[in-house]
Amino acid sequence: GENVEQHPSTLSVQEGDSAVIKCTYSDSASNYFPWYKQELGKGPQLIIDIRSNVGEKKDQRIAVTLNKTAKHFSLHITETQPEDSAVYFCAPANNNDMRFGAGTRLTVKP
Amino acid sequence: KAGVTQTPRYLIKTRGQQVTLSCSPISGHRSVSWYQQTPGQGLQFLFEYFSETQRNKGNFPGRFSGRQFSNSRSEMNVSTLELGDSALYLCASSLTSGSSPYEQYFGPGTRLTVT
Repeated sequence: GENVEQHPSTLSVQEGDSAVIKCTYSDSASNYFPWYKQELGKGPQLIIDIRSNVGEKKDQRIAVTLNKTAKHFSLHITETQPEDSAVYFCAPANNNDMRFGAGTRLTVKP
Repeated sequence: KAGVTQTPRYLIKTRGQQVTLSCSPISGHRSVSWYQQTPGQGLQFLFEYFSETQRNKGNFPGRFSGRQFSNSRSEMNVSTLELGDSALYLCASSLTSGSSPYEQYFGPGTRLTVT
C-alpha cells in the first residue's frame, strides 16, 4: 500500500514569511495530489490540488509543486498570515485510494 | 450550495454499545467516503460508497459497517464499541467515483467518545 510521509511535523514562521511543507509517497501509480487544511473543530478543507500531468499550480498565496520522478510534492504558502495557522495534510491518491500524511502543524506568529 | 453535513456532532457511548452516524453529501455528489481521525493514527480511510454500493474499503474490523441510500445520504455503524473507537469520524463527498481521482469535500465530523 501507499506509504506517505510529511515533513516537517511542526512549523513555526513569522507573519509575512514563507512556509514549505513536503510530502513523499511510495506508490508510483498515484495520480492526484491534494493538500488539505484543517482548523480546530472543523473537517479538512481542500485548498489546492494537482494532477500528475502538471508540475506546478498556483492559487494566490498558495502553490503546489510536483516531482513525480522523485515521488514528492510540496505545498508553498507565501506572505503567511495568522489565519494560515492550522494543520495541513497531503493525501496522494491512486484512483479511489487516498492516503493521508500525518499532518503538519503550522503556526504563524503575528 | 450547502456543504457536507454530519449528525450528530458529538456523541458519548459506553463500551459494548453500538452507534450509527449520519452523513448528507453535497447536493449532486454521489460518492461518500468515511474516515476515522485520532491523534495516534491520524486520518484513516474506512470505506467509500457510490450509488449505494461499497466501492472501496480500508483496513478496519467488521464491527465497522456502512450503507448508502438512494438519495446518496450515508450512514456508518459501529457495533460492540471499544474504548479505542473514540475518534472524530469524518465524512467526505465527491462528485464522481471511478477510475479518475476526485476532489473530496469534508463535513465537520462527529466526535465519538466511548467510556
